[in-house]
Amino acid sequence: QSALTQPASVSGSPGQSITISCTGTSSDVGSYNLVSWYQQHPGKAPKLMIYEVSQRPSGVSNRFSGSKSGNTASLTISGLQTEDEADYYCSSYARSSTLFGGGTKLTVL
Amino acid sequence: EVQLVESGGGLVQPGGSLRLSCAASGFTFSSYWMHWVRQVPGKGLVWVSLINSDGRTTSYADSVKGRFTISRDNAKNTLYLQMNSLRAEDTAVYYCARGLYSSSSAWGQGTLVTVAS
Repeated sequence: QSALTQPASVSGSPGQSITISCTGTSSDVGSYNLVSWYQQHPGKAPKLMIYEVSQRPSGVSNRFSGSKSGNTASLTISGLQTEDEADYYCSSYARSSTLFGGGTKLTVL
Repeated sequence: EVQLVESGGGLVQPGGSLRLSCAASGFTFSSYWMHWVRQVPGKGLVWVSLINSDGRTTSYADSVKGRFTISRDNAKNTLYLQMNSLRAEDTAVYYCARGLYSSSSAWGQGTLVTVAS
């Protein structure tokens, strides 16, 4: 049950686009289209931003998009806004368990 | 409105026990798989356990297997986590969550468990 691998930090300027990667294995990310992405602001509970690799829940901005290739999933945020500054976590179903990534701190410069 | 409210956290000595509860409202609790996820303050999310909608199927992270027990009472709309043989490394905020893999995902605000002497 190893964690998924995410970069520790990414940064971008307002209006720019960034991509956060999430690398797993053929037993988790590579096998299931059950990858989710969560946004977490300090002191708050995680908020679902993407589910099933690329689906956006209602109410989530279309600036957020997800994709997957092989064992790696990605979250792209376009048109960065200051309120996007937060921690982002990927998660994947993994045969009767769930794996989370270590988290990526997004800084909007 | 969907609400998940955790309770039962607190300070406990190493080797001790604690039972967390998660009261659900605003949705048909008995229809959903539920999870416990924990987070050491300042660190990442870690999945702990899941239970299916009727309570017959459970699963645990290796780090808590044999020490923690997840259960639910669908009549009371409540999820539980019985934690035994607690260790310092179990110190974390514990969240209950609904639907980790779908659009129906919802999380509580968490309850802090501190294991220390």
